[in-house]
Amino acid sequence: AQKVTQAQTEISVVEKEDVTLDCVYETRDTTYYLFWYKQPPSGELVFLIRRNSFDEQNEISGRYSWNFQKSTSSFNFTITASQVVDSAVYFCALSGGGADGLTFGKGTHLIIQP
Amino acid sequence: GAVVSQHPSRVICKSGTSVKIECRSLDFQATTMFWYRQFPKKSLMLMATSNEGSKATYEQGVEKDKFLINHASLTLSTLTVTSAHPEDSSFYICSAKAGTEAFFGQGTRLTVV
Repeated sequence: AQKVTQAQTEISVVEKEDVTLDCVYETRDTTYYLFWYKQPPSGELVFLIRRNSFDEQNEISGRYSWNFQKSTSSFNFTITASQVVDSAVYFCALSGGGADGLTFGKGTHLIIQP
Repeated sequence: GAVVSQHPSRVICKSGTSVKIECRSLDFQATTMFWYRQFPKKSLMLMATSNEGSKATYEQGVEKDKFLINHASLTLSTLTVTSAHPEDSSFYICSAKAGTEAFFGQGTRLTVV
């Protein structure tokens, strides 16, 4: 069975601070995909990133960066110089690929205070 | 990128009535679509996998007679909540896969009164 754990239920920081959202996953698949989504109050899911299990390179996209470590089964997400617009719920998710749906973590509610 | 359109975005219905939610892949064909449910301030839970031309596969604990899924074409899957009750009020969101990419609809907020 697959499992995604986001231990941080809520994080509150002041604008311009850096913040890291943790994600730990469990799977028996050798090929799998990891995702991060942002969910603003409107409810729609905004895709942020997808990584496959064979690509452990860290990725940076503007103020966003991701650290994928298979040795610790973690896929952490860092926002540098946070902004109020970053406030949302962030979900980490896991898929075995193929016809599998996604298994989501419980989400981390990120609050960026001005 | 690929677009998935979900309709309606919001619906209010009376107890005992049925509600149909549509999920369309606009620019790609999706042999497999997924339906998720999200309770307030909770995570998304996979309800069922919708397969074009065959019966949907439901997750454990999801009533297939309550949540009817039809995937009649490669671009359309529908979820019908039958005989809705207030406890069915929730946010429902669909997803379609293109290869290993997962694209989500905008979601439907269902309120049963």
